[in-house]
Amino acid sequence: SQKIEQNSEALNIQEGKTATLTCNYTNYSPAYLQWYRQDPGRGPVFLLLIRENEKEKRKERLKVTFDTTLKQSLFHITASQPADSATYLCALVSVGSQGNLIFGKGTKLSVKP
Amino acid sequence: NAGVMQNPRHLVRRRGQEARLRCSPMKGHSHVYWYRQLPEEGLKFMVYLQKENIIDESGMPKERFSAEFPKEGPSILRIQQVVRGDSAAYFCASSPPRTDGSIQYFGAGTRLSVL
Repeated sequence: SQKIEQNSEALNIQEGKTATLTCNYTNYSPAYLQWYRQDPGRGPVFLLLIRENEKEKRKERLKVTFDTTLKQSLFHITASQPADSATYLCALVSVGSQGNLIFGKGTKLSVKP
Repeated sequence: NAGVMQNPRHLVRRRGQEARLRCSPMKGHSHVYWYRQLPEEGLKFMVYLQKENIIDESGMPKERFSAEFPKEGPSILRIQQVVRGDSAAYFCASSPPRTDGSIQYFGAGTRLSVL
């Protein structure tokens, strides 16, 4: 069966450390993989996109890697801050799809001061 | 430039009533997607529309649910004869034409509670 899984429901880290979130998928052929941030009571906000032929993407303190052999994406936040506390969602767009996003359940990140 | 606007933010209905959820996409966006988020679940795709056309409704329940995106006005997600299991947050997202990678911009959602 097809699955997209974010391994940790919750992740607690200390301010200043690097947060690493994992997204694994099974029986999908992603054309793109995206990461979104969702705050309580709000809609998801796009952060980064990585294509199937790309290994790594960076944006300020954010880094995404994509390994199609392992069927895994890692999302890193360096020098984390309490303001980074939120739920982070990975989503993929399947090859040949009409563009709808397939989401993982999310990882709730808490950064303690 | 206003973002994706959804209304109402909260909607309470009794079992058997109809729920109408509205979504105005960002200016210049012609693609609209609807997703549902059940408690403790991830966002699930429901339907993808362009102006006056349903492109993909593979995630829509076969009965009681319908969606439209008319030439003028917002996109509407309509749920007839609501049941308690319809209680969820419903999110609308929009994207411009010829979007690269299907980056989508989400509204704040409508939280439907069925009593």
